[in-house]
Amino acid sequence: DADVTQTPRNRITKTGKRIMLECSQTKGHDRMYWYRQDPGLGLRLIYYSFDVKDINKGEISDGYSVSRQAQAKFSLSLESAIPNQTALYFCATSEGVRGDGYTFGSGTRLTVV
Amino acid sequence: SQELEQSPQSLIVQEGKNLTINCTSSKTLYGLYWYKQKYGEGLIFLMMLQKGGEEKSHEKITAKLDEKKQQSSLHITASQPSHAGIYLCGADRPLVDTGRRALTFGSGTRLQVQP
Repeated sequence: DADVTQTPRNRITKTGKRIMLECSQTKGHDRMYWYRQDPGLGLRLIYYSFDVKDINKGEISDGYSVSRQAQAKFSLSLESAIPNQTALYFCATSEGVRGDGYTFGSGTRLTVV
Repeated sequence: SQELEQSPQSLIVQEGKNLTINCTSSKTLYGLYWYKQKYGEGLIFLMMLQKGGEEKSHEKITAKLDEKKQQSSLHITASQPSHAGIYLCGADRPLVDTGRRALTFGSGTRLQVQP
């Protein structure tokens, strides 16, 4: 099994619908992140969590919310999806020690029509 | 992120040719990561550099971090079609609002290798 698992892998949804993207990890890391990637751009940080009770907004949090249900689970929600939220979404984890790696999930491709 | 500039944005090379991709920061790089991404797929970790002057190699890919720790280069020797994809550099740095660290990324370099 993958260290960081994202579900679903692909999703098409309609404008205005609420949708949740899920991320679970077996790394035992405290820190989890959600990133978004648009074509021709690098990844941008949406939200991050350093602990179950420690959740922070990233660079582009408007229109998104998150939930850290447990150390291993970090979900991203789009309350009312809009077409410009069509993107590739990545979840990542890290242990938080400088020099330690970041582990990324395989991504969720979301299309809002 | 505007803090990390990658160049070139895209690159087309003939198979067998060497190439270099650059990642430049206006701030000191304390942890610089290189990833490869096949179009629309997940990120493949290549290398991480921390120390000024550090150089790491894996197969035909070499990454360097300059002495001032503000620029990194990724060099591919004798390119192959399997090297095609998007190369991303990411810097492990404090976020402006909280001071907590996360990866911030350059915009990527799209590499095509023509047989």
